[in-house]
Amino acid sequence: EVQVVESGGGLVKPGGSLRLSCAASGFTFRSYGMNWVRQAPGRGLEWVSSITSSGHIYYADSVKGRFTISRDNAKNSLDLQMNSLRAEDTAVYYCARGLCGGDCYSDWGQGTLVTVSS
Amino acid sequence: QSVLTQPPSVSAAPGQKVTISCSGSSSNIGKNYVSWYQQLPGTAPKLLIYENNKRPSGIPDRFSGSKSGTSATLGITGLQTGDEADYYCGTWDTSLRAGVFGGGTQLTVL
Repeated sequence: EVQVVESGGGLVKPGGSLRLSCAASGFTFRSYGMNWVRQAPGRGLEWVSSITSSGHIYYADSVKGRFTISRDNAKNSLDLQMNSLRAEDTAVYYCARGLCGGDCYSDWGQGTLVTVSS
Repeated sequence: QSVLTQPPSVSAAPGQKVTISCSGSSSNIGKNYVSWYQQLPGTAPKLLIYENNKRPSGIPDRFSGSKSGTSATLGITGLQTGDEADYYCGTWDTSLRAGVFGGGTQLTVL
């Protein structure tokens, strides 16, 4: 059974940092692109970042230069290092397995809440 | 403002059919596959339709997808109260080099 489980969310002050992790199981992790998608309270889905199976990386303009995505194929894990956090980064962050050559997200975790507030 | 445009809400009676539209441009829907996601209240999104019209294992054939040009449509027949959820379309935007979603459509089964 495919599973992705996020961790690392919490309360952080504006300007602070947080590192999210995603533990994957039930599939050959190194063969799939992985993604972070977030959802602010009461709002819609917002794509944040993707890393392909070959290591190509993409970021939303809203997080470029502040967030860093990385993967460890040996540990079947995906990380998102978030720096210079802003109030508008407050959201539930979902880890999602990529499919369809990167055009869709087949398996989602339960999400981890990040709250940026003083 | 979302790159893809969906109606904020749709409604229909149990047993009826509803369609949800998703409008984009030549750099996203016009070039790439469209997927649809269902988000029940308080839960994570779930993939409903991928590659425009394919259903993952376990998704009933009451759900269908289509794409024409720069627009896509999700259809749901035989509506059930359990279908009440938010529905999102998504794709890749080749010009932006970014994933994009619609703003979401809230389905109410009256």
